[in-house]
Amino acid sequence: QVKLLQSGAALVKPGASVKMSCKASGYTFTDYWVSWVKQSHGKSLEWIGEIYPNSGATNFNEKFKGKATLTVDKSTSTAYMELSRLTSEDSAIYYCTRGRAYYWGQGVMVTVSS
Amino acid sequence: DVVLTQTPPTLSATIGQSVSISCRSSQSLLHSNGNTYLNWLLQRPGQPPQLLIYLVSRLESGVPNRFSGSGSGTDFTLKISGVEAEDLGVYYCVQSTHAPWTFGGGTKLELK
Repeated sequence: QVKLLQSGAALVKPGASVKMSCKASGYTFTDYWVSWVKQSHGKSLEWIGEIYPNSGATNFNEKFKGKATLTVDKSTSTAYMELSRLTSEDSAIYYCTRGRAYYWGQGVMVTVSS
Repeated sequence: DVVLTQTPPTLSATIGQSVSISCRSSQSLLHSNGNTYLNWLLQRPGQPPQLLIYLVSRLESGVPNRFSGSGSGTDFTLKISGVEAEDLGVYYCVQSTHAPWTFGGGTKLELK
């Protein structure tokens, strides 16, 4: 079955960067877009952007341009998201999803604190 | 960006009661390809969201048929026909017809 296994929680300092992973299994990785979604504590969900593993094409929410970088490693069926210049506003849970929010990873909690 | 307005924000129900959640969009969600990309998600406490309904009314595999979705254009509804204890959590509608995807504010279903 389709699984999206995300990397573990991260505690990072303000101004630093963090890179998280999303390893896909149970389907052909290059056939489906992978999206990333942010959920701030106790709040709703925000779409960050998406990447098409076959070509590396990306689309971003304007709000996250310059903040998030999306990449893939087709050899390991893994998608990555790097967040840069972190502030307290970036503390949140980040999910990867396949397609139009059909399948979800378990989430990565990122805490930005000195 | 498309704004999705969910009502009510909180819903109190007894086991066995039927309830409905509304999701209204600031613009039509009918895509040029004829599909309407409006999904419903359930997020249980401490869990990631899970898909319940896709393309307005299609039940995701494994989801109980007490869940149903309806609507078109800008008005959509999720109905639970006979709430069960495992249904408690926060429900979200999400549209991916227009970029960027956007989510409703959520409806928390709790036991009365």
